[in-house]
Amino acid sequence: QKEVEQNSGPLSVPEGAIASLNCTYSDRGSQSFFWYRQYSGKSPELIMSIYSNGDKEDGRFTAQLNKASQYVSLLIRDSQPSDSATYLCAVNPDFGNEKLTFGTGTRLTIIP
Amino acid sequence: GAVVSQHPSRVICKSGTSVKIECRSLDFQATTMFWYRQFPKQSLMLMATSNEGSKATYEQGVEKDKFLINHASLTLSTLTVTSAHPEDSSFYICSAGGGGLGNQPQHFGDGTRLSIL
Repeated sequence: QKEVEQNSGPLSVPEGAIASLNCTYSDRGSQSFFWYRQYSGKSPELIMSIYSNGDKEDGRFTAQLNKASQYVSLLIRDSQPSDSATYLCAVNPDFGNEKLTFGTGTRLTIIP
Repeated sequence: GAVVSQHPSRVICKSGTSVKIECRSLDFQATTMFWYRQFPKQSLMLMATSNEGSKATYEQGVEKDKFLINHASLTLSTLTVTSAHPEDSSFYICSAGGGGLGNQPQHFGDGTRLSIL
């Protein structure tokens, strides 16, 4: 079974600090990786996508991918209370198939 | 970016009622859409893959006769919860995107909160 694992948290981070969210996946052939943010009672929204090894930065967010170790992470710099949400890691394990495998999500709380 | 519209946003109805939820891709064509269900404080659960012009593919444990999916055009998929009961109360979310090969992100509709009395 193709799995995506995340620490469910809750992860508490002081305002202004760096929040680090981690995700591991089981299918070594996975090619596409996504981070979604989900506020309570809302649907998920795309934060970052990453396809190649290394870092990808977008504003305060940095996604990191290491295919050899089969992990993908999301760093949030200068954390704000508005970043408090559940972060979902999603992996596309089959190129040619649009179906995503989601982790269970990490609940992040930014403490003012 | 890609926009997915879902309607209605909230439904409250009596037990035994059938409820139809629409999911539209507004600025792109989607041969595949996905339907998820999420109970409070739980993770997303994929219910089925909606395929344009063919039968939907249901995940294990999801009753295809209970949750009817129709994907009659490249921009519209519908989920009908037939004879809904209180245990069907949940947050239903659709997604579309993927670029056809899964190399593009899925984008989610705003979800439909279904409450069965």
